[in-house]
Amino acid sequence: AQSVDQPDAHVTLYEGASLELRCSYSYSAAPYLFWYVQYPGQSLQFLLKYITGDAVVKGTKGFEAEFRKSNSSFNLKKSPAHWSDSAKYFCALEGFITGNTRKLIFGLGTTLQVQP
Amino acid sequence: DPKIIQKPKYLVAVTGSEKILICEQYLGHNAMYWYRQSAKKPLEFMFSYSYQKLMDNQTASSRFQPQSSKKNHLDLQITALKPDDSATYFCASSQDRGVSNERLFFGHGTKLSVL
Repeated sequence: AQSVDQPDAHVTLYEGASLELRCSYSYSAAPYLFWYVQYPGQSLQFLLKYITGDAVVKGTKGFEAEFRKSNSSFNLKKSPAHWSDSAKYFCALEGFITGNTRKLIFGLGTTLQVQP
Repeated sequence: DPKIIQKPKYLVAVTGSEKILICEQYLGHNAMYWYRQSAKKPLEFMFSYSYQKLMDNQTASSRFQPQSSKKNHLDLQITALKPDDSATYFCASSQDRGVSNERLFFGHGTKLSVL
């Protein structure tokens, strides 16, 4: 089965704190993993991706994510958090439909609120 | 300027009616997609098109029909609407389809409510 789990629907923290948004996946092969972000009133935007190589990948706006094969996780991190990081964050897995056809499988998303 | 335009932003329809959701992308991409997000559910892949040809269909119902009149257009026609069709429908595009780890660009979505 191919699936993505984001266990935290909402995360609230204060500006300056470290943020970590959790994501776990289920996939039988080597995963391609993504984080997308949706700021209020905007469309989903690509943040970063893991394909292979270094377990820590860096993205835009100071975000990074760590791939851990041992527990099938791909958590998003940033330190320090800024109020402008308040948004909804989606973790996604690239999975197969058939043959070499692929699709993105999304988690439910985590709404992050960073308070000043 | 938004590079992927979806119209309308909000749409209210009555059960049994038919609606068309519009999507145009100005990124010069060759592949376009439709995703749906229903309440309490994750974004769900529906269709993919490449060079105006339907490539993948993950939607069980034939009531959902994508239409591509131009390379940068991918509309979604929904017939015999049901309350369960209420969702936000996202159009997306990528440079090419079927390429591993390619990022998607999304529109703002059309929020459809079926009464």
